[in-house]
This record gives sequence, structure tokens and C-alpha cells, in this order.
Amino acid sequence: GENVEQHPSTLSVQEGDSAVIKCTYSDSASNYFPWYKQELGKRPQLIIDIRSNVGEKKDQRIAVTLNKTAKHFSLHITETQPEDSAVYFCAAGYGNKLVFGAGTILRVKS
Amino acid sequence: GAVVSQHPSRVICKSGTSVKIECRSLDFQATTMFWYRQFPKQSLMLMATSNEGSKATYEQGVEKDKFLINHASLTLSTLTVTSAHPEDSSFYICSGGLGNTIYFGEGSWLTVV
Repeated sequence: GENVEQHPSTLSVQEGDSAVIKCTYSDSASNYFPWYKQELGKRPQLIIDIRSNVGEKKDQRIAVTLNKTAKHFSLHITETQPEDSAVYFCAAGYGNKLVFGAGTILRVKS
Repeated sequence: GAVVSQHPSRVICKSGTSVKIECRSLDFQATTMFWYRQFPKQSLMLMATSNEGSKATYEQGVEKDKFLINHASLTLSTLTVTSAHPEDSSFYICSGGLGNTIYFGEGSWLTVV
């Protein structure tokens, strides 16, 4: 089955700097790669996603890149703000079935 | 917009008893829904795929006799934790898809005492 690895587990950046979180997946059949932000005890909140027919997608300060050959995808947050501090999860899936990475705690220091 | 609703949001049960969690798609039909478990400070772990009108498909290591899944209608999937033990205490969350969008339920905190 699918296996998703996510790094780093924690990331501290200075306000205004960029943050990058990386994930790798194992199943070449996966074609959907969302990124979520989650508060404790709440449902995951989709922040950006990408499908396998696209290499990059951007939404304001957030971007995701996908390298299908290498089976990895990354989340890029530019001009980080304190409110970006959260737990971020990547996921890989086919259809609506998702396998999640272990998560990254992002801390933005002001 | 499409919503997935989960109930109860919190439940406490005694060790050895069973507890049922419901997941409903409110304005769309979901032939497939998914159940995840999340321990504190950990990731969401896919437990099983709930298939309307047929048996659920369980992920490796998930006991199908302990986590009973029923998907009797196109809008309702239920997860029953049987003979619950304290180690089953966790956050359980379901999801369903409409088109290319995945919707998560609110999640259910289960505490087994």
C-alpha cells in the first residue's frame, strides 16, 4: 500500500522567512496530493492541493510542487506570519482515499 | 456546500463496552467513505474504506472484528468500536468525497475509562 514520509517533523522560522516541508510517497498510482493544516481535535483544513497532471500550483503565499518521477512533493510558504504556526500534514491518494504523512509542526517566530 | 457530519463529537465509555460513531453525508451520496484514527500528537491513520452495500476494506493491522463498519445507505456509515479498551481512546474521523473534493467530518473523541 501507499506510504508517505514527511520531513521535517518540526520547523522553526523567523517571521518573513520561507518554510518548506517535503513529502515522498511510494505508490505510483497516487494521483492526488493535498496539504492540510490541523488544529488539535479539529478536522483537517485543506490549504492547497495538486494533481498528478500538474507540476506546480500557487495560491498567494503558498505553493506546492510535485515531482512524479522522484515521487516527492513539497509545500512552500513564503513571507511566513505568526498565524502560519500550525501542524501541517501532506497526503497522497487515489480517488478519495488518502494516506497521510506524519506531520510537521511549524513555528513562526516574531 | 457539501458537508460530512459526524456524531457524537465526544463520547466516554466504560472498558469492555461498545460505542458507535456515525458519519453522514448531508447533501450528497457517498458510495465510499473512509475512517481514520488519530492519536494525540500523531497523524491521521487510515483504518478502513467503507463501501455502501458491501463489506468494508480494512487496512493492514486494523482488526475488522473490533472495528465494525456498516455502510447501509448512501448517506450513512457507522464505525462501532467493540469491547473498547483504554488503548482505543483516540480521535476518530471520517471522510467522504464529492467529485474531486474530500470532506471530513468534525471528528469524534473517544475516551475509554
